[in-house]
Amino acid sequence: SAVISQKPSRDICQRGTSLTIQCQVDSQVTMMFWYRQQPGQSLTLIATANQGSEATYESGFVIDKFPISRPNLTFSTLTVSNMSPEDSSIYLCSVVAGLGELFFGEGSRLTVL
Amino acid sequence: GQQVMQIPQYQHVQEGEDFTTYCNSSTTLSNIQWYKQRPGGHPVFLIQLVKSGEVKKQKRLTFQFGEAKKNSSLHITATQTTDVGTYFCAGFGNAGNMLTFGGGTRLMVKP
Repeated sequence: SAVISQKPSRDICQRGTSLTIQCQVDSQVTMMFWYRQQPGQSLTLIATANQGSEATYESGFVIDKFPISRPNLTFSTLTVSNMSPEDSSIYLCSVVAGLGELFFGEGSRLTVL
Repeated sequence: GQQVMQIPQYQHVQEGEDFTTYCNSSTTLSNIQWYKQRPGGHPVFLIQLVKSGEVKKQKRLTFQFGEAKKNSSLHITATQTTDVGTYFCAGFGNAGNMLTFGGGTRLMVKP
């Protein structure tokens, strides 16, 4: 299993500002994933963070709004840019384990006023 | 694209009653995974099913994968308050490159 640390765990932000979420894994992993979970909803994949190359974004998510960095095999950041109240969600970092199952960080709970 | 649907969306049960959540995919799945998310927590992996018709048990939890590999179920026998949370199924399509989560079933247990 992997231990995944995310920070901040929660934040309250003003409309129009940006927030960067950090994800640290205790072992080297090839792929890291960023998910969004809107209140009371399921998990939606934002993008796959690839080391050494640009992130791969899912339909409906764009790099300008959710820039991602992956400087090494244990760390990634997700920035939520120019935030609006619709961006209020839990943002989750995850990695794939041996059987293809996902391990998730504890999530970053973002409220945008 | 691939869609994974879960029913019911919510379920209230009395402690000791059984509970079942159902997962249906619009396409054939290569495998299906189940996760549990406690209130205020993050999703935690429970199990993965790979074979057609597979049944796996974890104590009071029984997981099934349909013969056609398009549906799955999670059954909890004699629920306890510790079972409270949202249960998500997630399936890999046959292309195997994307895990799609169902909408989740939120289980509430009255003591």
